[in-house]
Amino acid sequence: DVKVTQSSRYLVKRTGEKVFLECVQDMDHENMFWYRQDPGLGLRLIYFSYDVKMKEKGDIPEGYSVSREKKERFSLILESASTNQTSMYLCASSSTGTANSPLHFGNGTRLTVT
Amino acid sequence: AQSVTQLGSHVSVSEGALVLLRCNYSSSVPPYLFWYVQYPNQGLQLLLKYTSAATLVKGINGFEAEFKKSETSFHLTKPSAHMSDAAEYFCAVRTFNKFYFGSGTKLNVKP
Repeated sequence: DVKVTQSSRYLVKRTGEKVFLECVQDMDHENMFWYRQDPGLGLRLIYFSYDVKMKEKGDIPEGYSVSREKKERFSLILESASTNQTSMYLCASSSTGTANSPLHFGNGTRLTVT
Repeated sequence: AQSVTQLGSHVSVSEGALVLLRCNYSSSVPPYLFWYVQYPNQGLQLLLKYTSAATLVKGINGFEAEFKKSETSFHLTKPSAHMSDAAEYFCAVRTFNKFYFGSGTKLNVKP
């Protein structure tokens, strides 16, 4: 089974801090994604990556950056955390191999910025 | 761009009753369709996926979905709801390497 592991389940950070959210997958997937989930807004794509060192902006990239130095790891960075970034963050991965390969999600990181 | 519409942000059924969660998609190419379930404070878990081998797809926990091309629909059903089915359900479409999600439907199961 594919395993996507997010390093923290819960995080509390202060406004202005630099925050790193880490995600690791163990199935050699090419594609990795970061979403945030807020009540009433569903899942919104922040950034995604099709390969090592490659990244593309999703629908809401402002205030975030990402890093993919190794195939299995995709990090989300909040350069200067703000209270409106309090949210549930979901990492996911998928294979390019077959067209109907699904997304596999981690358990999420609930971030609170105070 | 693709879009996925889930009718009804909240659905409530009695235990033992039929569950029907609706999903419509817009796609100009053959779609790759998925249903996910999310329990509180967890990530999304794959329930089932459309494979084009059959229009009726069976998933985990007794759920199934029927692909209807003429209606551009992929509704999720379960004949008899169980209390443990209470969760949020998401329909998704994959186009190339991008996924588009519906806004989700929260299922409440009454005893």
